[in-house]
This record gives sequence, C-alpha cells and structure tokens, in this order.
Amino acid sequence: GNSVTQMEGPVTLSEEAFLTINCTYTATGYPSLFWYVQYPGEGLQLLLKATKADDKGSNKGFEATYRKETTSFHLEKGSVQVSDSAVYFCAPRSGNTPLVFGKGTRLSVIA
Amino acid sequence: GAVVSQHPSWVICKSGTSVKIECRSLDFQATTMFWYRQFPKQSLMLMATSNEGSKATYEQGVEKDKFLINHASLTLSTLTVTSAHPEDSSFYICSSLAAAHNEQFFGPGTRLTVL
Repeated sequence: GNSVTQMEGPVTLSEEAFLTINCTYTATGYPSLFWYVQYPGEGLQLLLKATKADDKGSNKGFEATYRKETTSFHLEKGSVQVSDSAVYFCAPRSGNTPLVFGKGTRLSVIA
Repeated sequence: GAVVSQHPSWVICKSGTSVKIECRSLDFQATTMFWYRQFPKQSLMLMATSNEGSKATYEQGVEKDKFLINHASLTLSTLTVTSAHPEDSSFYICSSLAAAHNEQFFGPGTRLTVL
C-alpha cells in the first residue's frame, strides 16, 4: 500500500521566513500527490495537488513539485504568515484508493 | 466546489451509550465515503471504506461491531459508535469521493467526548 514520510515537526518560523516541509512517498503505480492543511479545531482542506511527474501544484503562495525520480513532493512557501500556522499533511493516492496520511507537520509562525 | 457536511460537530456522551455521526455530500453524489479518526496531535487513521448499498470494508484493528457504518444513499453515510467508552473519544472525519473529480473531499469533523 501507499505510505508517506514527512519531516518531523513542530516547525517554528518567524513571519516572512521561507518554508520547506519535506515529503517522500511510496506508492503503487503512478499516484496523484496532495497536500492538505488542518487549521486548529477544523477538518482537512486541500491545499494543492499534482497528478503527474514534474507537475507543480500551487495555491495561496504554497508550491510543491511532483518529483518521480526522488519520490518526493516537498512543500514550499517563500514568505510565511502567522495565518499559515496549521498542521500540514502530505498524501499520495493511487486510483480509487483512500488517501493515506503521514504524521503531519505542525507549523507555527510567530510575528 | 464540493461540500461535505458532518453532524453533529461535537458531542459529549456517557459511557455505554451509542452515538451516531452523519456525513453528507451536499452538492455531489458519492458512491464511496471514508471514515477516519484522529487523536490529539496525531495523523488521520483510516477506519473504513463505505460503499453505497454494500457493507463497509474495515481496516485492520477496527471493530466492525463497535463502529457501525451505513451508506444508504449516494449522499449520506453514518457512523455509529456503539457502547462508547472514554477511549473512543476522538475526532472523527468523513471524506467523500467525488467520482467526477476522482478526488476526496473532507467533512469538518466531529469531536466525540465520552465521559
């Protein structure tokens, strides 16, 4: 089955700092790759996705590129804000199988 | 976009009682829904896959007699926690698979506290 490894958190950054959250995956076939965000006390929201190799997903200043050769989908943002404080989950998905999540990375951005 | 709702958003119950959580796809039909649970500061663990009109498929270690899942229509799945105990306290999140997008959409979650 699919699995994912995310960098351990928590990650604490100052506002306007550069963010990278590493994610590597194992999956059957050619999965789609997703980043979800969970704000305190809420459910998951799709942040961005990529469906094939070399695709770049982007949203709200966040980006991630589907790297098949390194089986990675690292999340980046050039300048984080306090409002970006949340837990971020990387997940691969093959076909109709359910999303399988990693442990998540908690991000805290301080002013 | 596709919207998934859950009801209730939170519930507190006494040990030994049963609690039903509803998950609805508001603007699309979902032949498949998934139920996850999340303990504080931990990841989402898949509990079961629910297919409309058939029995749910449970993940290893999840008691099917304790967590009853019914997917009676293309827009509604329910999770019933039977004879709840304090260790069942958790955040339960449902997710609907939108076939047209081949994408999972998540509900806002239900926080269950068993006293």
